[in-house]
Amino acid sequence: EIVLTQSPGTLSLSPGERATLSCRASQSVSSSYLAWYQQKPGQAPRLLIYGASSRATGIPDRFSGSGSGTDFTLTISRLEPEDFAVYYCQQYGSSPPRITFGGGTKVEIK
Amino acid sequence: EVQLVESGGGLVKPGGSLRLSCAASGFTFSSYSMNWVRQAPGKGLEWVSSISSSSSYIYYADSVKGRFTISRDNAKNSLYLQMNSLRAEDTAVYYCARDSVRYQLLYPFDYWGQGTLVTVSS
Repeated sequence: EIVLTQSPGTLSLSPGERATLSCRASQSVSSSYLAWYQQKPGQAPRLLIYGASSRATGIPDRFSGSGSGTDFTLTISRLEPEDFAVYYCQQYGSSPPRITFGGGTKVEIK
Repeated sequence: EVQLVESGGGLVKPGGSLRLSCAASGFTFSSYSMNWVRQAPGKGLEWVSSISSSSSYIYYADSVKGRFTISRDNAKNSLYLQMNSLRAEDTAVYYCARDSVRYQLLYPFDYWGQGTLVTVSS
């Protein structure tokens, strides 16, 4: 089973700053089957990025994903007030078929 | 508009059973694989189970295998999760979620319900 480790656990930043979130896999993620989600308190997660770097429908271009193999990054170019939330990475398409999530990174207002 | 509405959560004693439902609308339910994901209070997301569009393929997390059963009724646009032999560690909000690609399985989840809380406690 692929284990995803996200870092840092918490990121304290101000609006307008750049956020860089890391997701490291215990083994190579095939075909860059890596997604990112945003979750705000009391809400369901929202899909941001799939295929490591493709934005989901309606996601602003300040969100970008990159990486391959075992190292992936979510970047928020300029934080807006609504971006303060918890972010999860997810791998899919593994063999045997499994879905795993990382432990999450909380982006909080400094 | 795509909508997923879970129901069936509640308080149950350890060893007990519960059946969750997810009513889907706004899309062709029979074309999409569906999933259950849970989140323990204050914790991260945990994938529970997935079922393909025609129910031909079903997968479970090791933590629930043998205790939980996923199923669907395409005629009723509904997804189910039968949970037996419940444990305290099964306490969580349970979300149903749709695969983002038609007729594929275990792809990213593009629509989620609001969740239903299951509490296992004596």
